[in-house]
Amino acid sequence: DQQVKQNSPSLSVQEGRISILNCDYTNSMFDYFLWYKKYPAEGPTFLISISSIKDKNEDGRFTVFLNKSAKHLSLHIVPSQPGDSAVYFCAAKNEKLTFGTGTRLTIIP
Amino acid sequence: ETGVTQTPRHLVMGMTNKKSLKCEQHLGHNAMYWYKQSAKKPLELMFVYNFKEQTENNSVPSRFSPECPNSSHLFLHLHTLQPEDSALYLCASSQDRLGAGEQFFGPGTRLTVL
Repeated sequence: DQQVKQNSPSLSVQEGRISILNCDYTNSMFDYFLWYKKYPAEGPTFLISISSIKDKNEDGRFTVFLNKSAKHLSLHIVPSQPGDSAVYFCAAKNEKLTFGTGTRLTIIP
Repeated sequence: ETGVTQTPRHLVMGMTNKKSLKCEQHLGHNAMYWYKQSAKKPLELMFVYNFKEQTENNSVPSRFSPECPNSSHLFLHLHTLQPEDSALYLCASSQDRLGAGEQFFGPGTRLTVL
């Protein structure tokens, strides 16, 4: 039973536009949510996180939104750049990190 | 070296071989993790070590045997693996196991079992 789901395996966005990556979860006990980015042949790298007591966290071009009533998390990247092309994983934490399956984002120049 | 390093980066082994994966973190962290990533599946947590003590074994078969001699090094010993064990094995570390801090990942070992 997957507690963290990323229903879109891939997403293509024009350079300069907004990229929106979505994540749904089922466990209301998660207290922290994170986004990781993974390039080929590299391990995932931390991007941005949000505590369950907040609904928004912003860091430069990256903003994470949390809707606890809907158990939904999203990552907005604006403006999108070619270097943003990667696989993005959302993860949720209670005693351990539980990861989604990832969304492959391709930024089209 | 900085961050989290893993060796080897690629490994091909037969089902009767014995091999070991090595992970080293240069971040002064106290918790280390082994994850398995199979195609089209989420990262699966295998083992957690906190201050060199194993705190979690996520129902991993005994053909995978972890070892943590100190807070900076983590090994995964492999023996009599099956072809379905072929995957990317990722090591990670964090300041501690329960904090909100993010985990730092190594580049992974791509394992192929023939």
